[in-house]
Amino acid sequence: EVQLLESGGGLVQPGGSLRLSCAASGFLFSSYAMSWVRQAPGKGLEWVSVISGSGGGTNYADSVKGRFTISRDDSKSTLYLQMNSLTAEDTAIYYCAKGAGATRHHFDHWGQGTLVTVSS
Amino acid sequence: EIVLTQSPATLSLSPGERATLSCRASQSVSSYLAWYQQKPGQAPRLLIYDASNRATGIPARFSGSGSGTDFTLTISSLEPEDFAVYYCQQRGIWPLTFGGGTKVEIK
Repeated sequence: EVQLLESGGGLVQPGGSLRLSCAASGFLFSSYAMSWVRQAPGKGLEWVSVISGSGGGTNYADSVKGRFTISRDDSKSTLYLQMNSLTAEDTAIYYCAKGAGATRHHFDHWGQGTLVTVSS
Repeated sequence: EIVLTQSPATLSLSPGERATLSCRASQSVSSYLAWYQQKPGQAPRLLIYDASNRATGIPARFSGSGSGTDFTLTISSLEPEDFAVYYCQQRGIWPLTFGGGTKVEIK
């Protein structure tokens, strides 16, 4: 059974940093692209970033480019999102999502999410 | 960036009725469109991928159609558990984008 478990969310001040983690199990982690998708309170879904299988390429939404960095440790089956220079607009539930394949960027499994709140 | 416009924003129907949800892309995404269902307090769930393929475990009452810029998700006969918010998502052109969602509510 595929499982994705996010952690690392919390309350952070504007301008601060936070690192999210997503521990994966139940599939060959290294073979799949992984993404972060966020959802602001009461709003819709926004794709944030993707990393290809085996740590190849990465891509980011314009709203986070230059501030967020996605990475993965295939030996630990773990996905990361380093978030810097956070603003109130980054407040959201952050979901880890498994791509359906190496290059098939729709999401067949999702974690339960971790809440990031940016506030002073 | 591809803008996905979902309509209507809210659909008020009764159990047993047919639901037809629309997703229109600002330019062609070929057949690279997926649909998700999200219930309150839960993560989204993949229903349909590549426009018309049901994901694993998804009931046959859910079907998808379309290509290019116009897509439709149809729920043939609404069950009580189908009342939720539905999102479309395209993977045809970077960046990946989602539609704003359609809420299917009980009439």
